[in-house]
Amino acid sequence: GAVVSQHPSWVICKSGTSVKIECRSLDFQATTMFWYRQFPKQSLMLMATSNEGSKATYEQGVEKDKFLINHASLTLSTLTVTSAHPEDSSFYICSAPLDTNTGELFFGEGSRLTVL
Amino acid sequence: AQSVTQLGSHVSVSEGALVLLRCNYSSSVPPYLFWYVQYPNQGLQLLLKYTTGATLVKGINGFEAEFKKSETSFHLTKPSAHMSDAAEYFCAVSDTAGNTPLVFGKGTRLSVIA
Repeated sequence: GAVVSQHPSWVICKSGTSVKIECRSLDFQATTMFWYRQFPKQSLMLMATSNEGSKATYEQGVEKDKFLINHASLTLSTLTVTSAHPEDSSFYICSAPLDTNTGELFFGEGSRLTVL
Repeated sequence: AQSVTQLGSHVSVSEGALVLLRCNYSSSVPPYLFWYVQYPNQGLQLLLKYTTGATLVKGINGFEAEFKKSETSFHLTKPSAHMSDAAEYFCAVSDTAGNTPLVFGKGTRLSVIA
């Protein structure tokens, strides 16, 4: 069945470095993917909408230069956290529309980023 | 714009007891409603969804939810809680078709006591 695969599941990096998180749709094409951020014991916060072949749409308050999103193909979207700092430590989850008639989303497994 | 309110950030039940997680929504058009479950350090998994048709929908792991338009509610229930049900539960709404993100509630953490 349709699956969204996210990699890596866990990543630890030093402050000032950049980290790339990949989100792949398996067995289906996704012209749009959504990137969420989740703080401990909180809900999902939509960061941006990734659009294949065009620029991502960022939510208000999300730094475009800090969180670079690229949707290079119909099955791959990437989130790069640039010059990461400890406050960027979080759980990042991507998702893709499984059913565009209802808005149902299929989620990746999530990526836990820890910035030292 | 649509919104979701989940009453109770934390619900604790005994094993074998009824589980009731509350969700109310606001939407200007007939909504599509979802319940997702999240286990620690994992993504979200769909429990069940209401799109059209029967207002009582059954999902995985013995959960079900009833869409009540008059009450703008979509509460999640399970007759008998298991230890494995302990997780975070999110209610979400969509009122538009196409590639739009869901709007999530703040989540309810379910604890199951042995």
